[in-house]
Amino acid sequence: GAGVSQSPSNKVTEKGKDVELRCDPISGHTALYWYRQSLGQGLEFLIYFQGNSAPDKSGLPSDRFSAERTGESVSTLTIQRTQQEDSAVYLCASSRDYQSTDTQYFGPGTRLTVL
Amino acid sequence: LAKTTQPISMDSYEGQEVNITCSHNNIATNDYITWYQQFPSQGPRFIIQGYKTKVTNEVASLFIPADRKSSTLSLPRVSLSDTAVYYCLVVRRDSSYKLIFGSGTRLLVRP
Repeated sequence: GAGVSQSPSNKVTEKGKDVELRCDPISGHTALYWYRQSLGQGLEFLIYFQGNSAPDKSGLPSDRFSAERTGESVSTLTIQRTQQEDSAVYLCASSRDYQSTDTQYFGPGTRLTVL
Repeated sequence: LAKTTQPISMDSYEGQEVNITCSHNNIATNDYITWYQQFPSQGPRFIIQGYKTKVTNEVASLFIPADRKSSTLSLPRVSLSDTAVYYCLVVRRDSSYKLIFGSGTRLLVRP
């Protein structure tokens, strides 16, 4: 496709379960970002990939959160032992390069609800 | 990065020009001003970016005065479909790649 895609679009899980969220960036984009948007916190940065490496993981809320990227393409954000406060929309974005002024293109997000 | 301040909400009517002002008093020499738009249930979408004076594209214009401590996003002749949240961001060239979003301005366009 032409844009960033994310799956699933919605995920409902029980507290304590693990979840995996997937992001397919725009083909050829070397930089990939994960953000989280929740009512109480607004839109916040989680992690950034340059190629397959993650130079900045500073936004990950706890060690229950991890992410990987393979083949300079697909990325997976994993949340272990989910908590109710993890409920949010998780947004993925990609950019042509990792220059700060490059436009970031966002996907539609995955809405995670932890019961 | 410079903190941005913008109105929480604005109302307008179809066909009017809408100007959303953002203040960024502590902007640095290497900082650019970038605006994103977000519709409900969608990710943010880039609108426009500028450094100084005026930038115009097919969607909007961005006015930046000489001191660069503020900027104004101008949307000409808005329609109902322009109802969205508009975010003003400061991006430092060759430095911070992560976007730092504030609360944004919720624009409501009425018929």
